[in-house]
Amino acid sequence: SAVISQKPSRDICQRGTSLTIQCQVDSQVTMMFWYRQQPGQSLTLIATANQGSEATYESGFVIDKFPISRPNLTFSTLTVSNMSPEDSSIYLCSVEVQDYEQYFGPGTRLTVT
Amino acid sequence: AQSVTQLDSHVSVSEGTPVLLRCNYSSSYSPSLFWYVQHPNKGLQLLLKYTSAATLVKGINGFEAEFKKSETSFHLTKPSAHMSDAAEYFCVVLLYGQNFVFGPGTRLSVLP
Repeated sequence: SAVISQKPSRDICQRGTSLTIQCQVDSQVTMMFWYRQQPGQSLTLIATANQGSEATYESGFVIDKFPISRPNLTFSTLTVSNMSPEDSSIYLCSVEVQDYEQYFGPGTRLTVT
Repeated sequence: AQSVTQLDSHVSVSEGTPVLLRCNYSSSYSPSLFWYVQHPNKGLQLLLKYTSAATLVKGINGFEAEFKKSETSFHLTKPSAHMSDAAEYFCVVLLYGQNFVFGPGTRLSVLP
């Protein structure tokens, strides 16, 4: 298993601003993922972040809006840029540990006003 | 394309009675399948997984699921519900080389 922490746990931001979310894992992992969970909805994959390469974005998500950094094997950041109220969601990071299992962080609850 | 259907958005059971949460997937290949649970204001926790070994998979907290290829199903069951089981449950499908696809979720309520 893996222990994953995220900062901040929640934030309230004004539209037009940006927020960077941090994800820290207690062991070295190759694959990290960022998900969005809109209110009352399921999880949607934003992008896959592997250390040493550019993040791979899913359809509907672009780097200019959601830039991702992966400087080492235990850390990643997701930035939500130029926010609008539609970006209000829970953002979760996860890591793949073994046999395709993913372990999730506690999430960052973002409200955009 | 792969997809996951959870047939019930909300299931309500009485404490001590069986739980059945249904999941069907569409895939041309044999997938890996997972069930995750999300308690209110808490993170996602892996309940169990199927990765082409035994078709009946046992997980944590007394949950189990059976992979039925002929029915493309992976239903989650528990013989006796506990109040602490009240949560949102997600069925997840993974094809080799691709990414997790989450089902829409089923909210389980447990009545005293």
